[in-house]
Amino acid sequence: DAGVIQSPRHEVTEMGQEVTLRCKPISGHNSLFWYRQTMMRGLELLIYFNNNVPIDDSGMPEDRFSAKMPNASFSTLKIQPSEPRDSAVYFCASSLWQGGQPQHFGDGTRLSIL
Amino acid sequence: AQSVTQLGSHVSVSEGALVLLRCNYSSSVPPYLFWYVQYPNQGLQLLLKYTSAATLVKGINGFEAEFKKSETSFHLTKPSAHMSDAAEYFCAVSDQVGGADGLTFGKGTHLIIQP
Repeated sequence: DAGVIQSPRHEVTEMGQEVTLRCKPISGHNSLFWYRQTMMRGLELLIYFNNNVPIDDSGMPEDRFSAKMPNASFSTLKIQPSEPRDSAVYFCASSLWQGGQPQHFGDGTRLSIL
Repeated sequence: AQSVTQLGSHVSVSEGALVLLRCNYSSSVPPYLFWYVQYPNQGLQLLLKYTSAATLVKGINGFEAEFKKSETSFHLTKPSAHMSDAAEYFCAVSDQVGGADGLTFGKGTHLIIQP
């Protein structure tokens, strides 16, 4: 079975550029999560969706960050404009919409903003 | 608000020795608890989860964890360490009753296996 698929795996871009990260959840999962991992702050929840609807975006750091889920099989996380402090590994995870269900993680996108 | 504390950012054990990784949580309602493992340049892989069915939970790769409500702990153990166990381990909590909720992670523990 295909797991959570993220693209690109690596992204290097200059400050001020728009960055778009993509995620395809596991088929049949109806909850999708975006996390950010840094050395200083560890793993942080940015936003999550249930049935394509954003439920909690309180972890989104600034208005420069936005996320969408136009359908059950695709989500994007966009940063515009990007800044060096956005450099991190961004993970997407999916699960069934039920308490206690484990989240399945993609391999992440390593983002470097120069 | 919920939180997770992992005691020890680095733990070193000899191959064949007992592995003990500590996790304490804070939650206002009965929690769901998880242990994940992360290998370099990879995502997180679920080791095991506690969802109130049994306090001793067995996971993959010979790991297990015991939920102790009185101590608000969910420590991860493995009787005999293997070189392949070297990785980063994360404890996580979710306290949403009903639907899925985002996870709150501990800072992680880097497990080092000495030959």
